[in-house]
Formats: sequence, C-alpha cells, structure tokens
Amino acid sequence: DTAVSQTPKYLVTQMGNDKSIKCEQNLGHDTMYWYKQDSKKFLKIMFSYNNKELIINETVPNRFSPKSPDKAHLNLHINSLELGDSAVYFCASSQPGDQPQHFGDGTRLSIL
Amino acid sequence: GESVGLHLPTLSVQEGDNSIINCAYSNSASDYFIWYKQESGKGPQFIIDIRSNMDKRQGQRVTVLLNKTVKHLSLQIAATQPGDSAVYFCANMTGAGSYQLTFGKGTKLSVIP
Repeated sequence: DTAVSQTPKYLVTQMGNDKSIKCEQNLGHDTMYWYKQDSKKFLKIMFSYNNKELIINETVPNRFSPKSPDKAHLNLHINSLELGDSAVYFCASSQPGDQPQHFGDGTRLSIL
Repeated sequence: GESVGLHLPTLSVQEGDNSIINCAYSNSASDYFIWYKQESGKGPQFIIDIRSNMDKRQGQRVTVLLNKTVKHLSLQIAATQPGDSAVYFCANMTGAGSYQLTFGKGTKLSVIP
C-alpha cells in the first residue's frame, strides 16, 4: 500500500564506509527525487530524475551517486561516508512539472 | 537569491482555536506553492497547494492564502486538533517546466489540549 518506500529506515555506520539507500514508488510517477534534511529540519533537493534521466544535480559531493534502474526506483549510493553526511535522506516522487511531490518516511543516516 | 522563509519558527495554540502559519518568498516568478506537514519520524505529507493564478484555496479544515503583491503565503487551520501538532513547511516552484521545489525553514505547531 505504501506509495513511496525507502530502505533502510535507519543506517548507522562508520566514517569511510560505502552505503546505499533504496527507494521505490508505486504511484506511477515519472519523476523521482532525493532530498537531504539536516538537524535544523531544513530540506534541500539533491537530485531529480525524470523517466530515468538526471535533470537536477545540485551542488552535492560526487561521493553521492544516484541510480535509476527504472521509473519506479531511484537509489542513492554514498562513498567514503563523512561525519557531515549524517542527516535524514528523503526520497520523493511526482508527475513532471508543478505537481505535488510525495515523500517517503526517510532514512536516518548516522555516521560514527 | 531564491529563498522561502517563515516568520515564526514555533507556534503554540489551544485545541479548538484556529492556527495561522505564515511564509514569505522572494522570487516573484514563483507560480506554484505547496504546504507540507511533517510529523516526527515521518516524511513531509502534502496538505494543500495553490497556483499563482489564485489567491485562496480551501481544503478540509485548511485554507491557503496567497498574496503575490507582498510575496506572502499563509496556511490557516480551523479548529486545531492535537493531531495537527507537527512541523509545517511551505515550498515553492518556479515555472511549469521546473522540477525544483524550494522549501522554507519550517514552523513547529504545538497544540495545547
């Protein structure tokens, strides 16, 4: 039933490790996004894919690499994790353009 | 540069009262606006949206007002309930071809029973 689901919900790991977060949507949307929410609750777009094509790539370290195997999935791989990567990462999806974006429940990443 | 901001970071209201959450934006070309509600441990949940060709839109217990002259957006919640306690975000988009939603800082609404 879940519209946008991401796994895992919690991710605790050590600095320097590589990790992935997965996202799937069953809403039939063409566009998917990754957002980062910091400790002050500020939400900032990182990436956006439309129909598997990258359309937004904000100023994000190239240690972050999104991959969209199909329209319903957008995964986020992070290399060489740093302390500053600790945050909650949200996946979202929408139809293209000025349409509401629907969010998953987030992945809380904690770097030790 | 583009920014979407909020006048008050926290708001406490008595159960049953009306709540008003305000938001200012800086880009006069913004033409699509959304309000989201985020509960603890959850993702932002869509509440209501409005396009720039409107100045008011109503939903169930919620009303969004848009004043393009002063670049101000507000969310009114009628008869606030404990379940309304959450952080509320305004967000905006510029241009129908844009995919980029810019979020404000968020207002924490606390409902006093």
